[in-house]
Amino acid sequence: AQSVTQPDIHITVSEGASLELRCNYSYGATPYLFWYVQSPGQGLQLLLKYFSGDTLVQGIKGFEAEFKRSQSSFNLRKPSVHWSDAAEYFCAVGAKDTGRRALTFGSGTRLQVQP
Amino acid sequence: EAQVTQNPRYLITVTGKKLTVTCSQNMNHEYMSWYRQDPGLGLRQIYYSMNVEVTDKGDVPEGYKVSRKEKRNFPLILESPSPNQTSLYFCASRPSGVETQYFGPGTRLLVL
Repeated sequence: AQSVTQPDIHITVSEGASLELRCNYSYGATPYLFWYVQSPGQGLQLLLKYFSGDTLVQGIKGFEAEFKRSQSSFNLRKPSVHWSDAAEYFCAVGAKDTGRRALTFGSGTRLQVQP
Repeated sequence: EAQVTQNPRYLITVTGKKLTVTCSQNMNHEYMSWYRQDPGLGLRQIYYSMNVEVTDKGDVPEGYKVSRKEKRNFPLILESPSPNQTSLYFCASRPSGVETQYFGPGTRLLVL
């Protein structure tokens, strides 16, 4: 069964600083990988996704993520964080070979942005 | 506007009182799913539906029922809610053959 680990429960960065959120997955084959963001009191918004091809994917709001098969990782990055990026971020993996096509989510990383 | 809607957004109820949370999508998606979100656990799938009249259990189905009589609607039913079902619930949908799921705004449920 697939699984996702987000090692950092809570991260605080200063506005304008760079950001990297870690995500490690466990899956037997090439997975579908996603990053979602949940702002306070809001639903889940898709930031970016990786299905195949170029391992560096660009998303919305200036985010990018890099798929590294050798490390089973899909870390999310942003070069300069804005106060509005404060939210909870979820990494998710989708299985290609299961009928139910559920997304397996990590436990989330809460990002706090200091002025 | 393409969207997934859920109602109600907030609900307080008491143990044992049956309730239904509705989910509707206007994108003609075949696949719909319910998740619950709990602190430190991320989102876990409750039930899913591959199409009309086709439903199946996810990872945490105990205490829940679903139905899919129409393509656009996928209600979540709690026949006898218990306090451990206090959670934030999300409905999601996606078209067949596409892996990206679109999520509703969430329903926050408190069972006393």
